[in-house]
Amino acid sequence: QLQLQESGPGLVKPSETLSLTCTVSGGSISSRSYYWGWIRQPPGKGLEWIGTIYYTGSTYYNPSLKSRVTISVDTSKTQFSLKLSSVTAADTAVYYCARGAVIDDAFDMWGQGTMVTVSS
Amino acid sequence: QSALTQPASVSGSPGQSITISCTGTSSDVGGYNYVSWYQQHPGKAPKLMICDVNKRPSGVSNRFSGSKSGNTASLTISGLQAEDEADYYCCSYAGSNTWVFGGGTKLTV
Repeated sequence: QLQLQESGPGLVKPSETLSLTCTVSGGSISSRSYYWGWIRQPPGKGLEWIGTIYYTGSTYYNPSLKSRVTISVDTSKTQFSLKLSSVTAADTAVYYCARGAVIDDAFDMWGQGTMVTVSS
Repeated sequence: QSALTQPASVSGSPGQSITISCTGTSSDVGGYNYVSWYQQHPGKAPKLMICDVNKRPSGVSNRFSGSKSGNTASLTISGLQAEDEADYYCCSYAGSNTWVFGGGTKLTV
């Protein structure tokens, strides 16, 4: 059974870089049938797509965050990562990693989410 | 890329049917048949309920159905049950390998 698990600091200072890792277990991260994404949810608000990475390493980002986001993949560790630079309080959110299915173009598996607070 | 528009809340009684709308533009909902719907209970991760506008993943109750007309997609839940009470989000492919979510709808049963 495929599982995704986010990990990383729960507190980040303003202007610093938020770094999270998603570990994929029970399946391959290199399959061309899937892509891997990050989605966030500020407290009490809706979901926001952050970006996606394909097995080829190709990345695509939300235009509103593009200048600050980097997503990378480490197939040897079955992990993919998110870096968000120059964070502010507006970046405080639960961050989810998720698997997308090419055939459905939907996020069919999600991690449990990790809360990241931006505060000094 | 603007968020898709959903009603903030809908409600229904057990056994009834409800429909949640999701309005976008010709650049997202209207331009592609890649609309998905997610159910999220408090404190939990979202769960995929509908993909490709109207397809149910394995294990999802047939009480959930999806449709689309023009720039508006809809999720219908029939035979409402107490366990259906949750937040629901639509999501659409928006071209150039980007996605956009709706603002979410709180369903009260």
